[in-house]
Amino acid sequence: DAGVIQSPRHEVTEMGQEVTLRCKPISGHDYLFWYRQTMMRGLELLIYFNNNVPIDDSGMPEDRFSAKMPNASFSTLKIQPSEPRDSAVYFCASTGTSGGSSYNEQFFGPGTRLTVL
Amino acid sequence: AQKITQTQPGMFVQEKEAVTLDCTYDTSDPSYGLFWYKQPSSGEMIFLIYQGSYDQQNATEGRYSLNFQKARKSANLVISASQLGDSAMYFCAIAAGGQNFVFGPGTRLSVLP
Repeated sequence: DAGVIQSPRHEVTEMGQEVTLRCKPISGHDYLFWYRQTMMRGLELLIYFNNNVPIDDSGMPEDRFSAKMPNASFSTLKIQPSEPRDSAVYFCASTGTSGGSSYNEQFFGPGTRLTVL
Repeated sequence: AQKITQTQPGMFVQEKEAVTLDCTYDTSDPSYGLFWYKQPSSGEMIFLIYQGSYDQQNATEGRYSLNFQKARKSANLVISASQLGDSAMYFCAIAAGGQNFVFGPGTRLSVLP
């Protein structure tokens, strides 16, 4: 199994530009999560999907952020327009609800390090 | 809403000794899961151990064990026989009322040779 795949691994952009982060979850997982990690705020959940449907987007900072999951194997997180305060590491994670357990561990991707100049 | 508190920003331990990383949680949901993750300097998040709220026994995974005290709402991670490779950030997390995970601020562990 390839694990959760994220691209790009690093992104440097200028303020005002559109940024698109991509994620491929582990095959068979029905939950997908987007997190943001910064020194100041730690690891924050932005949004999560179940069977491609957004369930909770209360962590999305503002309208500049949007996320989609058009199918079970692909999700995007878009920032438009980007600002320097969006600089962070963005993680995608997935989990499945099989196995009889109410809660299963999340498998994280390697993250995308975003720098907005 | 769920909350995780990790009161130790940083910890030091001598190689080969045991260390306990503290985690307390708050939730009103009777069903929940507690998780520990390790984040080395390379940045990836590595799952270590899981404890369900109805599990009768403390979880163990190799050198990792979870000291689960439900009445105190604590879920401390114990690492036995520390190794240099254990130096990393450690995050405690809770999931309740769905798959919405809440992570604590983390504890940075440094293992000294």
